[in-house]
Amino acid sequence: DQQVKQNSPSLSVQEGRISILNCDYTNSMFDYFLWYKKYPAEGPTFLISISSIKDKNEDGRFTVFLNKSAKHLSLHIVPSQPGDSAVYFCAASARGGGSEKLVFGKGMKLTVNP
Amino acid sequence: DGGITQSPKYLFRKEGQNVTLSCEQNLNHDAMYWYRQDPGQGLRLIYYSQIVNDFQKGDIAEGYSVSREKKESFPLTVTSAQKNPTAFYLCASSPDAAHNEQFFGPGTRLTVL
Repeated sequence: DQQVKQNSPSLSVQEGRISILNCDYTNSMFDYFLWYKKYPAEGPTFLISISSIKDKNEDGRFTVFLNKSAKHLSLHIVPSQPGDSAVYFCAASARGGGSEKLVFGKGMKLTVNP
Repeated sequence: DGGITQSPKYLFRKEGQNVTLSCEQNLNHDAMYWYRQDPGQGLRLIYYSQIVNDFQKGDIAEGYSVSREKKESFPLTVTSAQKNPTAFYLCASSPDAAHNEQFFGPGTRLTVL
């Protein structure tokens, strides 16, 4: 049973436009959410995170929105750049249960076209 | 400079052979993790260790073994019991078990022929 879902496997946007990556979760115990970016044949790198006490966190071009009632979060990239082309993983954890259980989604491939 | 290293980048083994993947970190992190990534599967947790000389099974531990004799090292052995060992293996660490952000190594691509 997949607890973290990234239902769209890929997204293609034009350079300069907004990229919106979505993530849904089923476990109501999750209270911390992270986004990782991964290039082929490399390890994921941490991008941005959000705690369940917030509904928005912003870092430069990256903003994550959390809708707890809908169990949904999204990553917005504005403006999108060709270097943003990568696979993006959403991850979630229940801090009360310890961080060993970072549950990852299957990833979404973002392509930003020049 | 600090970080997580995994070696080698690419590894080839014959079917039936055990193989050990290296993971070293100089970040002074207590917790370390092993994941495998398969196409369309995301990252799945194999084993994790919250402290030296202690480790727990993750979601897909069958056919794998680990050790944590030193804080900075967390080697993963892929045994012949692992049915589908060909995959991309990722090691990660975090400052402690209560710290959610995990830092990943560059990965090892294992191909079993």
